[in-house]
Amino acid sequence: EPEVTQTPSHQVTQMGQEVILRCVPISNHLYFYWYRQILGQKVEFLVSFYNNEISEKSEIFDDQFSVERPDGSNFTLKIRSTKLEDSAMYFCASGGTRLNQPQHFGDGTRLSIL
Amino acid sequence: GQQLNQSPQSMFIQEGEDVSMNCTSSSIFNTWLWYKQEPGEGPVLLIALYKAGELTSNGRLTAQFGITRKDSFLNISASIPSDVGIYFCAGLEDRKLIWGLGTSLAVNP
Repeated sequence: EPEVTQTPSHQVTQMGQEVILRCVPISNHLYFYWYRQILGQKVEFLVSFYNNEISEKSEIFDDQFSVERPDGSNFTLKIRSTKLEDSAMYFCASGGTRLNQPQHFGDGTRLSIL
Repeated sequence: GQQLNQSPQSMFIQEGEDVSMNCTSSSIFNTWLWYKQEPGEGPVLLIALYKAGELTSNGRLTAQFGITRKDSFLNISASIPSDVGIYFCAGLEDRKLIWGLGTSLAVNP
C-alpha cells in the first residue's frame, strides 16, 4: 500500500535555528497537509496545500512557518526561527486526488527544541 | 471553534472482549474518520464515514455516523493484543481535520 514517508524521524535543534521537515506524499495525490501534536495534546491542523499554494492555514501557522513543494515529489515544512514551544510531533498527510478525501499520515518527525 | 469529545479517555480490557468508544461534536461534520495511532507511528486510517446514519465495517471494527452528523461510535469485536493503541476520531471540515483527544486502549492477554 502506498505510504507517506517523513524525514528525519527525530530532529534536535537549538532555539532560534531554522529547521526543515521533509515529506514524500503518496505519488498521485494532489492535496497535502501538515499537522502537529504537542505531547499529551490533540493533533492540530497547521496548513493545507494544493496546486502549489496554501489553501488554508491555522493561527499556529504564523510568519515563522512556510511550506514548499520544490520538485513535485517532496513537501517541506520550514520553521525559520524555532521556539521552545515548537517542540512537538509534526505529521505530514496526503489527501488524495479530490477535495475532502481521507488523509493518510506519515510516521511523523519528532522536533525537540533546546 | 469546533471541538470533538471522545469517551472514554482510556480503557483496559481483557483479550476477547468487545470494545465501544464514542465521539461527539459541538457541530456538524460531513465526513467523519477514525484513526489508530501506535507509539512512534503516525495515525493510521481505520474507517471513513460520509453519510448520516452510515454503518461501515473494517474487519473486526465497525463504526457508525450519527443521524445528526454530530456523533459517531467505533466498536471493536473480540479484541486482541495488537488492538492496543490510541483511537482518534476526526471530523473533516474545509480541507482540515479536527481531532478528538483520543481513547487509549490497553488489552490484557
